[in-house]
Amino acid sequence: SQQGEEDPQALSIQEGENATMNCSYKTSINNLQWYRQNSGRGLVHLILIRSNEREKHSGRLRVTLDTSKKSSSLLITASRAADTASYFCATFGNEKLTFGTGTRLTIIP
Amino acid sequence: NAGVMQNPRHLVRRRGQEARLRCSPMKGHSHVYWYRQLPEEGLKFMVYLQKENIIDESGMPKERFSAEFPKEGPSILRIQQVVRGDSAAYFCASSPPIGRGNYNEQFFGPGTRLTVL
Repeated sequence: SQQGEEDPQALSIQEGENATMNCSYKTSINNLQWYRQNSGRGLVHLILIRSNEREKHSGRLRVTLDTSKKSSSLLITASRAADTASYFCATFGNEKLTFGTGTRLTIIP
Repeated sequence: NAGVMQNPRHLVRRRGQEARLRCSPMKGHSHVYWYRQLPEEGLKFMVYLQKENIIDESGMPKERFSAEFPKEGPSILRIQQVVRGDSAAYFCASSPPIGRGNYNEQFFGPGTRLTVL
């Protein structure tokens, strides 16, 4: 499997519910980041968590990192229609970012 | 401070033609990265450049692809003799000068969508 795999591949939830996406990776990392990509658009950086951190919050976003399991999760609370997008995790190591395959999140109004 | 600029936003080429994609990093940024995104996939690293230097090109195909970041002007990703499989979105990112092992956030441009007919 690839470095940085997200699951699920696709997720549909009702507006107002929480959305959780997971990411697994293989190699040691300096940090892990989450990005959002709206359809046909560029990437928006959401949050960065360093390898010595276990949890980080930013607004409605909560990210956890478990380096022993080489996994991370992104939680979006109180989802909104505007959260509909693809979400990618990316690990930073060897001076470059390695992206996962992404989770397509659809928020149903 | 303008963000990372890429042009053109959309590029159509016929098989065998050349494609030139341009990236102007954010002001003060001296590091440029190119990524390729195939439909329904994540971004794949291609090349990392500093001014006049290629630092890491481990993600670049061995043939037809080249990249440069001259002392003056934008970074250029050049694809010669394009084939249909080159159709993808190509994203550029930039970051300020960084120490080894340290990290500054990479800021992404809007991408160039290349279609090869």
